[in-house]
Formats: sequence, C-alpha cells, structure tokens
Amino acid sequence: DQQVKQNSPSLSVQEGRISILNCDYTNSMFDYFLWYKKYPAEGPTFLISISSIKDKNEDGRFTVFLNKSAKHLSLHIVPSQPGDSAVYFCAASAPGGSSNTGKLIFGQGTTLQVKP
Amino acid sequence: ETGVTQSPTHLIKTRGQQVTLRCSSQSGHNTVSWYQQALGQGPQFIFQYYREEENGRGNFPPRFSGLQFPNYSSELNVNALELDDSALYLCASRRDLSTDTQYFGPGTRLTVL
Repeated sequence: DQQVKQNSPSLSVQEGRISILNCDYTNSMFDYFLWYKKYPAEGPTFLISISSIKDKNEDGRFTVFLNKSAKHLSLHIVPSQPGDSAVYFCAASAPGGSSNTGKLIFGQGTTLQVKP
Repeated sequence: ETGVTQSPTHLIKTRGQQVTLRCSSQSGHNTVSWYQQALGQGPQFIFQYYREEENGRGNFPPRFSGLQFPNYSSELNVNALELDDSALYLCASRRDLSTDTQYFGPGTRLTVL
C-alpha cells in the first residue's frame, strides 16, 4: 500500500525554465511534508518542508505547494539549474507525527534532469 | 556543525551472516532513525531511537535491531542476513522529538551474496 506516490519517474527540463515535481498521498492524517534531493552515492539532502496548516512555503528558488483537498503537493524550482539534476523524494510525516515515531513515508522518487 | 556520518561506506556479506552498521548523529541531535532504501525505491523506515530506547518501528522483522549510546550515536544490527537485505541503509537524525525535519547521512551500501 503506497501511501505516498510520485507518479513521474523522470522529468527533463531546460536550464532556466521551471521544474515542477508532483507528489500525491492517500492519508489525510499526514501533517507534515518534506522534499529531499539525492545525488548518487550520497544520502538524501533536506530541501524544504511544509506543515499541513499552510498551503505554500518558499525558500529561494524552491517553493512547495500543498493542496489538502486533493491530497497533492508539488515542488517548483525556478529557475532550474544543471546542478539541480538529481533524484527528488517527497516524504510525509506518519499519522501521530514523526515527532512521536520518527517515521517518514517516502515516495518512489522522480529523477530530474536539467539540460544546459 | 558536523553532519550525520555513517560507517562503513559499503560492505559485502554472505547469507546467514550478521552485520553492524554505525551512525553518528548531527551535533546537537538526540534522535536517530534508520531507513532501508532498495534500488529504485524510496527509503523505508526501520526504527527510531531516542534516549537510548527504541520508540518507533516500521515493518521489519526482529532480526533488525539497534542501539543508541549516551553520545546519541547509534548502531543497526541485522542477523541472519538474507539476499533481500541488500540495500542502502540510511541513518537520519533530528534535534529532538519536537522537530520533524530529519537529516540524513551518506548511507552504507550492503551487499548480501
């Protein structure tokens, strides 16, 4: 039972354009969402997060949008740079809060390629 | 500020053996979680340690066990290794139970032959 889904295995965009990565979830009790970036042979690097009480959070070139009614979140990267090429994972805090259990539920990842 | 470190970087074991993986949490962090990432998948939560006790566990059998030490470093032990245990094992730390953001180490790549 995949509670967090990233339905696009890969995405290719031109440098300078917008990258939009999508994530869907099934459990309305999730209360915190995170995006991580992962390069080969490295661990996931935290990018940005959003609480379920918000619908948008920005940090520099990265913006995360949360649509609770649709159980959907997206990560926008503007402008995209070749160094952004990596695998991106969305993750949700398990019901009850990861503050209690430490459990983050991850999607399968989307590989982003930014072409120069 | 020192990030999360893990050792070894990679290792090879044979089926039935036991393995111990190690993790040092980011400075100032007292809570550690372990994840297993199979090829092409997202990380799967194994368990969390806080104040030297396990206080959260995912769907992993008891042959996956752990420890946390007074300096907040942690170990993951896997007994009776199976071929399907081949994966990247990730350690993540956070400041305490009141914070949600977890910071990951580089991982240990385990291959079981």
